[in-house]
Amino acid sequence: DMKVTQMPRYLIKRMGENVLLECGQDMSHETMYWYRQDPGLGLQLIYISYDVDSNSEGDIPKGYRVSRKKREHFSLILDSAKTNQTSVYFCASSFYGTGTGNTLYFGEGSRLIVV
Amino acid sequence: GQGVEQPDNLMSVEGTFARVNCTYSTSGFNGLSWYQQREGHAPVFLSYVVLDGLKDSGHFSTFLSRSNGYSYLLLTELQIKDSASYLCAVRDNNNRIFFGDGTQLVVKP
Repeated sequence: DMKVTQMPRYLIKRMGENVLLECGQDMSHETMYWYRQDPGLGLQLIYISYDVDSNSEGDIPKGYRVSRKKREHFSLILDSAKTNQTSVYFCASSFYGTGTGNTLYFGEGSRLIVV
Repeated sequence: GQGVEQPDNLMSVEGTFARVNCTYSTSGFNGLSWYQQREGHAPVFLSYVVLDGLKDSGHFSTFLSRSNGYSYLLLTELQIKDSASYLCAVRDNNNRIFFGDGTQLVVKP
């Protein structure tokens, strides 16, 4: 069905609470990404996953960790959320190849507010 | 992060064209892609290039010069509905994809 699904879509958490954002894809893509986007800005890469249990840091990994135990699922975890982690989080996936690897499929985003 | 730069804003007139520029400096190069993003929505893939030159895809065309670290997205026969943010994204040698901040295109009647 070529879809990337993010849950939850909207979330309000208190500072210090743990946050779990989940992402699933049905295209058997090897590579998955987590980005955050703040108002008026582009997407900042948090983590990339090349396949199950093969994850690598992006530009802004501090305060985040990820988990990929199945190819179709990629989770983003915030241990002890901070107010500056209020943002919209996008998950994306792609095949690994030279051409197809440049085509990202995005989920609809998860809007997180930390108060 | 990796350096991907775009102008913040661009304005053009319905029926004409708009060129969105992008310059980049990354750890290696493994392709460049363009996305359209509307307010409150996820980015949508438009086009990618890996080789130098112009790639004509009708309403959207994409140019790349790897030696200059430069690309542009050309939109022709502009319509009001083309008003959106256009994001440039570069894939490095580790297959990480880095985005510019986006160019907000406004198409006026």
